[in-house]
Amino acid sequence: EAQVTQNPRYLITVTGKKLTVTCSQNMNHEYMSWYRQDPGLGLRQIYYSMNVEVTDKGDVPEGYKVSRKEKRNFPLILESPSPNQTSLYFCASSRGTGAAEQYFGPGTRLTVT
Amino acid sequence: GENVEQHPSTLSVQEGDSAVIKCTYSDSASNYFPWYKQELGKGPQLIIDIRSNVGEKKDQRIAVTLNKTAKHFSLHITETQPEDSAVYFCAASMSNFGNEKLTFGTGTRLTIIP
Repeated sequence: EAQVTQNPRYLITVTGKKLTVTCSQNMNHEYMSWYRQDPGLGLRQIYYSMNVEVTDKGDVPEGYKVSRKEKRNFPLILESPSPNQTSLYFCASSRGTGAAEQYFGPGTRLTVT
Repeated sequence: GENVEQHPSTLSVQEGDSAVIKCTYSDSASNYFPWYKQELGKGPQLIIDIRSNVGEKKDQRIAVTLNKTAKHFSLHITETQPEDSAVYFCAASMSNFGNEKLTFGTGTRLTIIP
């Protein structure tokens, strides 16, 4: 089954404790991205990757890091999480570029206390 | 950069009636306009999209219209059913140095009243 998986689905952590949210897709897509979803703000892009070893900032990259060492994986790293990073996070992949159909993962709800 | 505004933020309609969600965008260079549906506890899923060379597109009970002059596009759902209850996002895409970046609206929570 074609899908995007994210882990963990739920995470509660404390300020400053490094964490990684994993994302994996099995569709051989070149383009992957991370979004955060906040009430009243919609979906905002954090980082994107157009292929292996090619990453760039989206609209809200502060406080986040990413890497793309393999085509299927695109982890999101929070080196020192803060409460304003409490949000619902989605990983997405697509064939080609951001204008193609985005396939979203199920989401990771992160709470930073 | 692109700015997409979406209205209304919440919408309740009786089952069987029609629902309309409207979006406006700021950058006339945008040329791709998808709509995503997000069901409770899931990620958004593409339901319909339209490109700038087309004024209207239909897929069963769902249609999207685009007015490039006015820079707005709308989602129309006819004969609404309970399974249409969800959050709907519009988006606009413009080419940006090879990254055709999607900018999303703020979402509309649609509730179908049985």
